[in-house]
Order: sequence, then C-alpha cells, then structure tokens
Amino acid sequence: DIQLTQSPSFLSASVGDRVTITCRASQGISSYLAWYQQKPGKAPKLLIYAASTLQSGVPSRFSGSGSGTEFTLTISSLQPEDFATYYCQQLNSYSCTFGQGTKLEIK
Amino acid sequence: QVQLVQSGAEVKKPGSSVKVSCKASGGTFSSYTISWVRQAPGQGLEWMGRIIPILGIANYAQKFQGRVTITADKSTSTAYMELSSLRSEDTAVYYCARSISITMIFLDYWGQGTLVTVSS
Repeated sequence: DIQLTQSPSFLSASVGDRVTITCRASQGISSYLAWYQQKPGKAPKLLIYAASTLQSGVPSRFSGSGSGTEFTLTISSLQPEDFATYYCQQLNSYSCTFGQGTKLEIK
Repeated sequence: QVQLVQSGAEVKKPGSSVKVSCKASGGTFSSYTISWVRQAPGQGLEWMGRIIPILGIANYAQKFQGRVTITADKSTSTAYMELSSLRSEDTAVYYCARSISITMIFLDYWGQGTLVTVSS
C-alpha cells in the first residue's frame, strides 16, 4: 500500500499568515492527490483535487502543487475559518489512502 | 443540490454486524461511485471501500477484505455498508461520500456521518 506522510502534524499560525503543508507519498502517484479540510464534528470538505485543481466554491487563497511523491497545500492568507485539520488523499488503482492529518491551530 | 443522508447511530455488541445506509438525492446516482470512510474518535480518516452503482461492482481496502460488504440499490439511490465481526476498535463515525467521477475517487459530497459504537 502507498503511504502518505504529512508534515507538520501540528501547526500554529496567526490570521493573515501564509502556511504550507506537505504530503509525501511512499511511491510515485502522478497527480492523483487531493486535499480535504475537516472541522470538529463535521464531514471533510474537498479543497483541491488532481494535485492542483481548486474545487468549485473553495476560496482562491487555497492552492495545491506537486506531482510524483511530494505535494503541498498552501493557504496564502489565513482566515479565522481556516483553522481546522487538513488531510491529503492519494488514489491508486481502485483504492485510496489518507495522510495522518495536519491540525492547524491559532497562535 | 446533492445530498447524502445516512442512517442513525448504532450501538452493537462485539462479534455482531452493522449495516449503515446512505441515501443520495439531487444527482444521478449511477454516474458516480460511493465510498465509505471511517474515523475513530480523535483519529484520522480511513477509506474502507467503494461501489460503482451502475455496475454493481465494489472494491475494498485490504484491511477490510472479508469483513465489509458495500452494496447499492439503484432504484432507491441508496448505498449500504455492512461490517461484520465487530470489535471495540470499530467504534467510529462512518461516512459515505460521492466521488467526482466513476474513475476518480476524489470525494466531493459527504454524508453527515453515522456513529457506530461497539461495546459489550
């Protein structure tokens, strides 16, 4: 199985900061990667898919990049509603796996 | 708009089975796949498997092979996930989610989640 490792696992930042979360795959996955945001008690929300495609309705301050084994999610200017946990997800053949998550907290 | 509505919370005994439903509305049920993802308390997301309703074909994560069965009823636009031989570690919120296409398991719409508690 392909493993995904996110870093950091915890991130403390302030409103207005630019933050980057990294997701590394144990083997190449081309661009078959997505990013999700999850708030406590809620279902995850798709932000980015195919590594860099912004899901409809998601603010443009979110962006994704990368291919192969290394990917990043960038939030250009943190807003109060962005404090949440973020997960990457990879697709492989007919299955998928998620990273362990990155919890983004207010500094 | 697309909605996925799941069945209510369940409390089960170890060794028993649970079946959770997920009714879709607002879209073409057969044009997508439905995945099941679970989340244990305080833990991350774990993909369990998916079904392609138009084909009736399901595939499962290796961890759950033999213990999970995912089915779909096209006539009612409802997907089901049955997990057997329950143990305490299966206590989790179970989500159904729709993929953006049949070939891409990127999940754009999610159900509200169903809490399954396994306790003696």
